[in-house]
Amino acid sequence: EAGVAQSPRYKIIEKRQSVAFWCNPISGHATLYWYQQILGQGPKLLIQFQNNGVVDDSQLPKDRFSAERLKGVDSTLKIQPAKLEDSAVYLCASSPLLNIQYFGAGTRLSVL
Amino acid sequence: AQTVTQSQPEMSVQEAETVTLSCTYDTSENNYYLFWYKQPPSRQMILVIRQEAYKQQNATENRFSVNFQKAAKSFSLKISDSQLGDTAMYFCAFGGEYGNKLVFGAGTILRVKS
Repeated sequence: EAGVAQSPRYKIIEKRQSVAFWCNPISGHATLYWYQQILGQGPKLLIQFQNNGVVDDSQLPKDRFSAERLKGVDSTLKIQPAKLEDSAVYLCASSPLLNIQYFGAGTRLSVL
Repeated sequence: AQTVTQSQPEMSVQEAETVTLSCTYDTSENNYYLFWYKQPPSRQMILVIRQEAYKQQNATENRFSVNFQKAAKSFSLKISDSQLGDTAMYFCAFGGEYGNKLVFGAGTILRVKS
């Protein structure tokens, strides 16, 4: 069974630029999550999708972050414009039920 | 809001020995899930073990077991017969009633020495 796929693995941008991350969950998983993991901290949930609908985006900085899951399968997370404090690893996870999340390898973002 | 505290930033253990990682949490919920996740260096996070709060019996998965004390809001992970491959960052996470909205602790770096 293929795992959660994320791309790119690494991204370096300058502040005020835009960036997008892509996630393809495990086939059949209805629930998809995006987390932000700042160096030295545990992951923090940014947004949760159930199929193509948003369940929880209370911790998503909506002035600069956006996410979509149009067809209820893969998802894109965008940052526009990026700030220095956005430097982190962005993790995507999916689950078939409400518990047991399977994580991707993450995208490491460096904002210079 | 729920919080998860891991008070040990780093731990070391000799190969084949036993180590216990600590985790405490705060919640007003009665039914919830707790998790331990392992994140090896530069590799993806994987689930180690899961505990449902309504179950009194502590969860076990091969060499991994937990000591769940609901009243004390404590959820420690015991790794027996430690192996070099156990070297990783370990995160304790609170999952709420449905185990979905994970709140993570800051993590404990575990180093297994040969």
